[in-house]
Amino acid sequence: AQKVTQAQTEISVVEKEDVTLDCVYETRDTTYYLFWYKQPPSGELVFLIRRNSFDEQNEISGRYSWNFQKSTSSFNFTITASQVVDSAVYFCALSGALPGGFKTIFGAGTRLFVKA
Amino acid sequence: DSGVTQTPKHLITATGQRVTLRCSPRSGDLSVYWYQQSLDQGLQFLIQYYNGEERAKGNILERFSAQQFPDLHSELNLSSLELGDSALYFCASSGTSDTSYNEQFFGPGTRLTVL
Repeated sequence: AQKVTQAQTEISVVEKEDVTLDCVYETRDTTYYLFWYKQPPSGELVFLIRRNSFDEQNEISGRYSWNFQKSTSSFNFTITASQVVDSAVYFCALSGALPGGFKTIFGAGTRLFVKA
Repeated sequence: DSGVTQTPKHLITATGQRVTLRCSPRSGDLSVYWYQQSLDQGLQFLIQYYNGEERAKGNILERFSAQQFPDLHSELNLSSLELGDSALYFCASSGTSDTSYNEQFFGPGTRLTVL
């Protein structure tokens, strides 16, 4: 079965701190994709990154970085020097073949509070 | 702005009623996905359409149905509504692939309240 676990329900940090959001996934597929989405207080989900199962290169985009490790089935997301605007719910998601077709499974989300 | 539009933004109705939620995908996107977001269930995939055809089905109740029209807009029909159907319903769209391997662009959602 496919599953995405985001064990951290809520994280609270002070501005300029670094913060890492954990994501652990389960799948039997060899081909799959991993995603991170952000849901700010306005409610609309925003795509942040996509990674396929064959590309374990870490990625950095400004203050955001992602660490994909197949050996531990993890796809963690780090925000460096956090800002108040980073306050949001962050979802990790896994896309792959499931009964009924290709589907995207979302984790429960991690709510990040960044205090000024 | 993702380019995905959803109407209405808010919907308040009574138990037993039927409602229709509408979604227009981004220009050029052939896939449309429907999700339900509630406090207890999180973000749940309901159904995907690709170029008018159903492509994947998730945890969609039999009381719910959807379709995608030739102009690619999609409608989600919810009938015999129950209190537990109160949730935020998102539509998302993605490019020209019929799988969900591409990033999805989400609409602003329709907040459904069943009283």
